[in-house]
Amino acid sequence: DVKVTQSSRYLVKRTGEKVFLECVQDMDHENMFWYRQDPGLGLRLIYFSYDVKMKEKGDIPEGYSVSREKKERFSLILESASTNQTSMYLCASSFTSGGDIQYFGAGTRLSVL
Amino acid sequence: GENVEQHPSTLSVQEGDSAVIKCTYSDSASNYFPWYKQELGKRPQLIIDIRSNVGEKKDQRIAVTLNKTAKHFSLHITETQPEDSAVYFCAATKGYNYGGATNKLIFGTGTLLAVQP
Repeated sequence: DVKVTQSSRYLVKRTGEKVFLECVQDMDHENMFWYRQDPGLGLRLIYFSYDVKMKEKGDIPEGYSVSREKKERFSLILESASTNQTSMYLCASSFTSGGDIQYFGAGTRLSVL
Repeated sequence: GENVEQHPSTLSVQEGDSAVIKCTYSDSASNYFPWYKQELGKRPQLIIDIRSNVGEKKDQRIAVTLNKTAKHFSLHITETQPEDSAVYFCAATKGYNYGGATNKLIFGTGTLLAVQP
């Protein structure tokens, strides 16, 4: 059974705090993704990684950074959280390139006050 | 850049009726089109996908059709049931290459399907 685990379901932070969102997959997948989900906007890609220590910007990378030191773990970092980063964050992973199933984590609902 | 438009944003049907959700994409190089279902409070999960070398694919009550010329694809659900109520997302690949190829998906904005008993 495939598994993508996000470290927190709910998180409340203050403006200006540094925030870490963690994602772990146990399927030995090459590709990992961070999305942001907002009502009416669908799933928007923040960053993705196609290998250890490799990363690529998605469509909305501003205000975010990522880290992938190990194949199974992909971290999303908010260097200085702002209220407009209040959202649902979804991590996903996939095995091959060229079109493959993405498996999602349960999501982290982040509130920045 | 690549764009995927999805309609309608909300859809309400009676149990047993059919539901159709439509998506259009802008990049003619797109070659993989998955559909994800997200039940309330749960993670998105793939329900069906189609590749550009196929025009139609069925899986029990669910089917997807693809028109490459018009650059649109549709999800068809027949004999809808209350458990079909969810948000459905279409997506398309952008065909991105950097070092190794990777499948970067562009998602539509979602359709909230409500099946009334």
